[in-house]
Amino acid sequence: AQTVTQSQPEMSVQEAETVTLSCTYDTSESDYYLFWYKQPPSRQMILVIRQEAYKQQNATENRFSVNFQKAAKSFSLKISDSQLGDAAMYFCAYPPRSNDYKLSFGAGTTVTVRA
Amino acid sequence: DTGVSQDPRHKITKRGQNVTFRCDPISEHNRLYWYRQTLGQGPEFLTYFQNEAQLEKSRLLSDRFSAERPKGSFSTLEIQRTEQGDSAMYLCASGIGLNNEQFFGPGTRLTVL
Repeated sequence: AQTVTQSQPEMSVQEAETVTLSCTYDTSESDYYLFWYKQPPSRQMILVIRQEAYKQQNATENRFSVNFQKAAKSFSLKISDSQLGDAAMYFCAYPPRSNDYKLSFGAGTTVTVRA
Repeated sequence: DTGVSQDPRHKITKRGQNVTFRCDPISEHNRLYWYRQTLGQGPEFLTYFQNEAQLEKSRLLSDRFSAERPKGSFSTLEIQRTEQGDSAMYLCASGIGLNNEQFFGPGTRLTVL
C-alpha cells in the first residue's frame, strides 16, 4: 500500500525561529507531485507548497521551503521566521499512482508557535 | 473567484437518518473530490469525479454512501441510515490540470447522535 508518514504528531517553535516538519512516502513512480497543506484550527485547508519530483531544485514559497530527497523518499517542510499565524496542522500529501488525481495524506503535524 | 463552497457547514442528525451534503467547486474545475477527515487525522479519499463521471470510489464508501455530480458542476454526497461512525468532517475539493493540486472547501461537520 502506498503510504505517507509524518512521524511528528506535534512540534512547537518560538516565534521568529525555524521549524522543520518531516514526511516520508512510498511510491514506485518516478514522476509525481508532492504537497504540503496547512489546516488552521476550524478553518479550511490551503496549499502551502508543491514540489515536482522530476525537478531537483527544492521548492520555496516565501518563508516556506522543502528539502526533497527523492532517493530517500523524503519531503520535509521548513518554516522560517515562524509567525503566530503559522499555528496549524500541516499535512503532507501525494498521489499514490502516476495516473491518480486523488491524494493520500499523512496523519498531520500540529505546529504550535510560542510568542 | 469564490473558491469551493460547501453546505451545510454543520449537521447534527440522529442515527438512522439520511443526510445530504452539497459542494460547489471552483467554476472552471473539472475534477471534484470528496474526502472524510476524523479528528486529528488526515483526510481520507472517498470518491472523485471528472466532469459528471464518477471515476473512482474508495472502499471506505459503503453502499450507504452515494455521490452525484449531475451536470459536471456541483456535487452531492448522501449518507443513508447514518451510523455514529459516520461522524466526521466531510471535505470537498476541486482541481484542474495535470498537477494534482486541489482546492478545498470549508467542510461539513457531521455529528450522528
